Amino acid sequence: DAKTTQPPSMDCAEGRAANLPCNHSTISGNEYVYWYRQIHSQGPQYIIHGLKNNETNEMASLIITEDRKSSTLILPHATLRDTAVYYCIVRSSSNAGGTSYGKLTFGQGTILTVHP
Amino acid sequence: NAGVMQNPRHLVRRRGQEARLRCSPMKGHSHVYWYRQLPEEGLKFMVYLQKENIIDESGMPKERFSAEFPKEGPSILRIQQVVRGDSAAYFCASSAHNGYTQYFGPGTRLTVL
Repeated sequence: DAKTTQPPSMDCAEGRAANLPCNHSTISGNEYVYWYRQIHSQGPQYIIHGLKNNETNEMASLIITEDRKSSTLILPHATLRDTAVYYCIVRSSSNAGGTSYGKLTFGQGTILTVHP
Repeated sequence: NAGVMQNPRHLVRRRGQEARLRCSPMKGHSHVYWYRQLPEEGLKFMVYLQKENIIDESGMPKERFSAEFPKEGPSILRIQQVVRGDSAAYFCASSAHNGYTQYFGPGTRLTVL
C-alpha cells in the first residue's frame, strides 16, 4: 500500500479556508487518493476522491499535483462543525480470492481544529 | 436513501460472553467491510464480504472472530468468548461494487466488563 504522510494537527479560524496537505510519494498510476473525516468517534465520513484531476464537490476541493506525489484537501469556509480527524488514504487494489477490490488503509490523520 | 445502519450502537458484555454486531448496507450495496478502532488508535481493516462470500479476512483475529453476510439480512460480526481487549468501536462500510467508494455506518461500541 502507498503510504501517506499528514501533519498530526492543524488549526483554522472559522470562516477561513482550511488547507490540509498530504504526501503520497510512492503512489502508483492506478491508485486513487481518498479523503475521509471522523468527527468525535463517529463513523468515518467520505469527503472526496480523485485520480489525476482536481475535484470539487459540495463539501470540499481536492488538488492533486501533476506528479501525483501530494495533494491538498480544501474546505473553503471552515465551520466549527468541521473540527475532526481528516484521513488521506491512497486506495490500493488488493487481490483476494481472485477478486480485486479497493482496500482502505487508515493512518493517523490530521486533527483539524476550527476555532471561533 | 438510508445510509449504512449498525446495531446495536452500544453493547456491553461480560468476559466470556458472545457479542453479535449487525450491519445493514446502503440500499443497492452488496459489498460490506468491517473495521475496528481500538481506543486512541486508527481504524484497522478486518474483513471484506460479498453476499454469501468472505473475500478477504486478512485482518480478522485468528480465533473467536467470525463474519458472515447471508443472502438475506444484515452482515453479522460475531465475537465469541469476549475479552477486555475486544473493547473497541466496530465500524462497517458498504459499497456498490468492489472498486467503488465505501460509506461507513455509525459504529457499534463494544465494552467488555
